[in-house]
Amino acid sequence: GENVEQHPSTLSVQEGDSAVIKCTYSDSASNYFPWYKQELGKRPQLIIDIRSNVGEKKDQRIAVTLNKTAKHFSLHITETQPEDSAVYFCAASTGGDGQNFVFGPGTRLSVLP
Amino acid sequence: KAGVTQTPRYLIKTRGQQVTLSCSPISGHRSVSWYQQTPGQGLQFLFEYFSETQRNKGNFPGRFSGRQFSNSRSEMNVSTLELGDSALYLCASSGTGVGRGGYTFGSGTRLTVV
Repeated sequence: GENVEQHPSTLSVQEGDSAVIKCTYSDSASNYFPWYKQELGKRPQLIIDIRSNVGEKKDQRIAVTLNKTAKHFSLHITETQPEDSAVYFCAASTGGDGQNFVFGPGTRLSVLP
Repeated sequence: KAGVTQTPRYLIKTRGQQVTLSCSPISGHRSVSWYQQTPGQGLQFLFEYFSETQRNKGNFPGRFSGRQFSNSRSEMNVSTLELGDSALYLCASSGTGVGRGGYTFGSGTRLTVV
């Protein structure tokens, strides 16, 4: 079955710096890759996603890149702010209909003021 | 529109008991998935229901079961509770075609087994 690895497990950056989180997946049939942000005590929330027919997607300070050949995708956050501090999860769709996901173990991002 | 609603928010049960958790998806969403979240294991997929049918299932023992009603509301049941079942149980709903928007998660039910 699908396996998703995520690195690093923790990441500390200075406010204003960039943060990059990387994920790899094993199932070449996966075709949809969402990223979720979970603040302490709150639900995971979808922040950006990418489909396998796209190499990059950007939304303001957040971008995701996908390399299908290498089976890895990355989240890039620029100009980080304290409110970006959270746990970030990547996920890859599974199954023929891609209707459920395997999540990475998460990255705890701390943005230091 | 209303989000995904999970009840109850908190639950304390004793080993050996059973528990039922409820999830009401976003109106119009027919797919409901359940996840177990623990500090050590992250987000683990339990099962997914679509139109009252279990469409996918994760690697959990048979003590974990679920169902979905005609109005898309879903329940999850855990029988013969064990201490290791203590976790945050998250429900997520999605519309047609997960790739068009992914999940919307509920706030979860935090289950503590003592």
